[in-house]
Amino acid sequence: ILNVEQSPQSLHVQEGDSTNFTCSFPSSNFYALHWYRWETAKSPEALFVMTLNGDEKKKGRISATLNTKEGYSYLYIKGSQPEDSATYLCAFQGSQGNLIFGKGTKLSVKP
Amino acid sequence: DTGVSQDPRHKITKRGQNVTFRCDPISEHNRLYWYRQTLGQGPEFLTYFQNEAQLEKSRLLSDRFSAERPKGSFSTLEIQRTEQGDSAMYLCASSLSLGTYEQYFGPGTRLTVT
Repeated sequence: ILNVEQSPQSLHVQEGDSTNFTCSFPSSNFYALHWYRWETAKSPEALFVMTLNGDEKKKGRISATLNTKEGYSYLYIKGSQPEDSATYLCAFQGSQGNLIFGKGTKLSVKP
Repeated sequence: DTGVSQDPRHKITKRGQNVTFRCDPISEHNRLYWYRQTLGQGPEFLTYFQNEAQLEKSRLLSDRFSAERPKGSFSTLEIQRTEQGDSAMYLCASSLSLGTYEQYFGPGTRLTVT
């Protein structure tokens, strides 16, 4: 059974703090690693899709890294803002195409 | 709006009733996925279609669940004889069948079985 683990489960930070989350996944049969941002009552929003070992991607204040050999990815948020409050999901994709999600990290940013 | 849409957004039903949800994918996407998310868990894969063919079903999809995508466009997910354990968020996603199959999600249907 493929297992995707995310830590921490939840995180409370002050506005302006930088933060990071971890996603660990199986290193075998790897095709891609996806990060999603999910705000309450909205659709999960795709942040990054990463495929290559050593990949680094950035979108504004959010960036992600990928290590496929050891099976982990980090998501970083620089200078957190209240609008960053959401659940951040990572998902492992094997060759079949369907995604195997972690339980998510719930981020709360206090003004 | 060219995103993935789902209907209804919320459904409350009594145990034993049948319910049907609809998903309209992004028009040029030929893959369509169904996921279920329960409290404290990430979304769990249920099934997916490539065009009208249902290519994979999870063991989570018991015989009370059936999904269709009759013309390769919208899809329906039906749950027969609902149980309280079926209460969950049902998410639909669509993608192209090439590259990294980046999936675009709808807002989900929240099912509550009383």
